[in-house]
Amino acid sequence: NAGVTQTPKFRILKIGQSMTLQCTQDMNHNYMYWYRQDPGMGLKLIYYSVGAGITDKGEVPNGYNVSRSTTEDFPLRLELAAPSQTSVYFCASSPRTSGKNIQYFGAGTRLSVL
Amino acid sequence: KQEVTQIPAALSVPEGENLVLNCSFTDSAIYNLQWFRQDPGKGLTSLLLIQSSQREQTSGRLNASLDKSSGRSTLYIAASQPGDSATYLCETGANNLFFGTGTRLTVIP
Repeated sequence: NAGVTQTPKFRILKIGQSMTLQCTQDMNHNYMYWYRQDPGMGLKLIYYSVGAGITDKGEVPNGYNVSRSTTEDFPLRLELAAPSQTSVYFCASSPRTSGKNIQYFGAGTRLSVL
Repeated sequence: KQEVTQIPAALSVPEGENLVLNCSFTDSAIYNLQWFRQDPGKGLTSLLLIQSSQREQTSGRLNASLDKSSGRSTLYIAASQPGDSATYLCETGANNLFFGTGTRLTVIP
């Protein structure tokens, strides 16, 4: 079981470039999440999805887009990268059954926008 | 908007000591509360999840409690070990989830 897999692990972007952070899970979880973590801070929710075809905004969605065409994949898109988007990005998934919401996290993508 | 606060921000204890980490939240309309451990440069590992209808959960040397009415949760670590050194984060909410900023724990051998 691979769990939650994020690619790439590291990336440097120039201002204005675009990229997609990939996230895939093999646990057949309904819920998937994208967070960002700035240095010395907790995580902030960017977007989440409760199932294929359904996405919703979290606390800090501006500058990002997501899609959920399959249960397994939940890519995060940055259209016009800005220095403020320099952060570590974490993807997570959870089964969300019977009120339980144990989340499983990927190893993260470290993004620098210069 | 839910606000989650963790106190203290950092804590150093000698090996073998029992300790308590605190997490407070402003909105009691939560599904559950989860405690995580994060090692430097790594992802998060779930330690304990307490459903909103529960008062506590235990796993080995860890015990987490939840008091929804007062907006508080505690993580109790018994007989701390150097391997417990990490940042501990709590997360709660309903569909939208919010993390605290964490407590960085150092256990001194």
